[in-house]
Amino acid sequence: AQSVSQHNHHVILSEAASLELGCNYSYGGTVNLFWYVQYPGQHLQLLLKYFSGDPLVKGIKGFEAEFIKSKFSFNLRKPSVQWSDTAEYFCAVVPSGGSYIPTFGRGTSLIVHP
Amino acid sequence: KAGVTQTPRYLIKTRGQQVTLSCSPISGHRSVSWYQQTPGQGLQFLFEYFSETQRNKGNFPGRFSGRQFSNSRSEMNVSTLELGDSALYLCASSLQDPGTEAFFGQGTRLTVV
Repeated sequence: AQSVSQHNHHVILSEAASLELGCNYSYGGTVNLFWYVQYPGQHLQLLLKYFSGDPLVKGIKGFEAEFIKSKFSFNLRKPSVQWSDTAEYFCAVVPSGGSYIPTFGRGTSLIVHP
Repeated sequence: KAGVTQTPRYLIKTRGQQVTLSCSPISGHRSVSWYQQTPGQGLQFLFEYFSETQRNKGNFPGRFSGRQFSNSRSEMNVSTLELGDSALYLCASSLQDPGTEAFFGQGTRLTVV
């Protein structure tokens, strides 16, 4: 069975600080990787995704993530956070063949102080 | 285009009762997935429906069931409610499967007392 681990449960930063949220997964086959974000009072929405190709993917609002296959990692980064980035961030893994059962990490709560 | 709509937004039920939640996917999306979100367990996959058939199922007891109609709208049912079923239930729709991209609704907050 696949699993997803998000190392940071709570992160507090000041505006303009750099952000890196860790995500590691365990699964023996090929996967599609996602980061979803949930802003306060809003629904979950896609931040970025990786299916294949360039392991460095760019998403909305200046976010990017790098897939490192050898480390089973898909870390999320942003060079300079803003107060509006305050949200909960979820990493998700879906096997890319056969069953499409998504596994989500438990989420990282990010608070950005102005 | 209209997003994923879930009704009702809030529900309070008593232990032992049953409940039905509804989800209207984005027009044209054929895959509907359901998730349970709790502070302790995070987001957990319940099941996925595609073309009125359950295609994938997570590790939840048989009290949790669902169905999908010909217009892709979906319902999930929880029978014999337990206190531990209190959670936010999320529905997500995808064009073909959640392995591409999932569009989430606002969720139904279920409280079991």
